[in-house]
Amino acid sequence: GAGVSQSPRYKVAKRGQDVALRCDPISGHVSLFWYQQALGQGPEFLTYFQNEAQLDKSGLPSDRFFAERPEGSVSTLKIQRTQQEDSAVYLCASSLGMTIAPLIYEQYFGPGTRLTVT
Amino acid sequence: GQQLNQSPQSMFIQEGEDVSMNCTSSSIFNTWLWYKQDPGEGPVLLIALYKAGELTSNGRLTAQFGITRKDSFLNISASIPSDVGIYFCAGQASGNTPLVFGKGTRLSVIA
Repeated sequence: GAGVSQSPRYKVAKRGQDVALRCDPISGHVSLFWYQQALGQGPEFLTYFQNEAQLDKSGLPSDRFFAERPEGSVSTLKIQRTQQEDSAVYLCASSLGMTIAPLIYEQYFGPGTRLTVT
Repeated sequence: GQQLNQSPQSMFIQEGEDVSMNCTSSSIFNTWLWYKQDPGEGPVLLIALYKAGELTSNGRLTAQFGITRKDSFLNISASIPSDVGIYFCAGQASGNTPLVFGKGTRLSVIA
């Protein structure tokens, strides 16, 4: 399809397990963002990439969280040794993001991955 | 992390009524955006605003970028059942930077 896709849509992990969440951005979109959305809250920024470069990871809550985008397209968010407080929806967004025209900074979101840690 | 002040938290309205919600921030933003999120889905972009004072419409939706660059509002006219969902405002400081979201306004429409 033409939109941002994420997989899996749902993931249940036992506390202590590692998980990997995948994001396929819109084709040709240079910038990719990861957000975390707790129940009843708005999305909160985790990290973002321009092509393969991770420009900002200030929102990652701990060193158990790691993101990569090795070829500047697909991105993976990895959470090691999951904890119950990691339970949330993880959203990925992409934007064209390479020139100064504001329209191309608009971020388009995928459906999210709902992570439940038991 | 930082979240914008969005109000009201929830609204119950009759079909056909107009709706208004707003968002304020202690920081200046250069772009304001409004998204709608349905259950189990990601946010969908409704309107983007790029200049202080700008008033933009998208069908029955109208949004304004406040003069101080610290606030925005969204109006929905003649609401219909499919308007049900959670509406989020988001601010963007500059260029290609992360979005800062409000906590959302949950809209329920009674037919």
